[in-house]
Amino acid sequence: DTAVSQTPKYLVTQMGNDKSIKCEQNLGHDTMYWYKQDSKKFLKIMFSYNNKELIINETVPNRFSPKSPDKAHLNLHINSLELGDSAVYFCASSQDLPVFAGKVYEQYFGPGTRLTVT
Amino acid sequence: GESVGLHLPTLSVQEGDNSIINCAYSNSASDYFIWYKQESGKGPQFIIDIRSNMDKRQGQRVTVLLNKTVKHLSLQIAATQPGDSAVYFCADGVRGGSYIPTFGRGTSLIVHP
Repeated sequence: DTAVSQTPKYLVTQMGNDKSIKCEQNLGHDTMYWYKQDSKKFLKIMFSYNNKELIINETVPNRFSPKSPDKAHLNLHINSLELGDSAVYFCASSQDLPVFAGKVYEQYFGPGTRLTVT
Repeated sequence: GESVGLHLPTLSVQEGDNSIINCAYSNSASDYFIWYKQESGKGPQFIIDIRSNMDKRQGQRVTVLLNKTVKHLSLQIAATQPGDSAVYFCADGVRGGSYIPTFGRGTSLIVHP
């Protein structure tokens, strides 16, 4: 009955490799997000999709590519991994855009994927 | 840069005391603010939000105060419990933008029994 799930929970890999993180939400939400949290707990938005369309693409290296096969899934693929990519990556979803028709829609976060690049 | 920031990185309180976590923001166009709680090893969890046309909102054991004059908001937790130990984030969403919340750096709340 997990609302937002991510796999894997831990990912250890070497520099230069390509890896993917998967995210699924069973809440019927229209909007999904990827966040990166660094070692100092700073949480930064990377991407956001609304109804499978990319609406936010922050200043993220193009080695990072999100893919949304359907509204319930938002995967993150990372090419040519670098040491600086080591972080915890969080997927999140919300019923709609964060603010829509005057209402704030809270985000539901997944448990995170701890990526370690060696 | 960040539009929101927290005054203290760590706050230690005794169980039963009230906790106040402060947050400053810089963008006058910030339309809403959200507080999140992140327990160790977990993702952030929504606590409470407040729109810019309000100055106070109360939830269960929590109160958020917004002072637009000085661009400051606070989260007050009444009768703090050990289960409240976590990192707390404030985030703001800007009017006219994507409304995707921008998170500030967290404050670690440590509750001593």
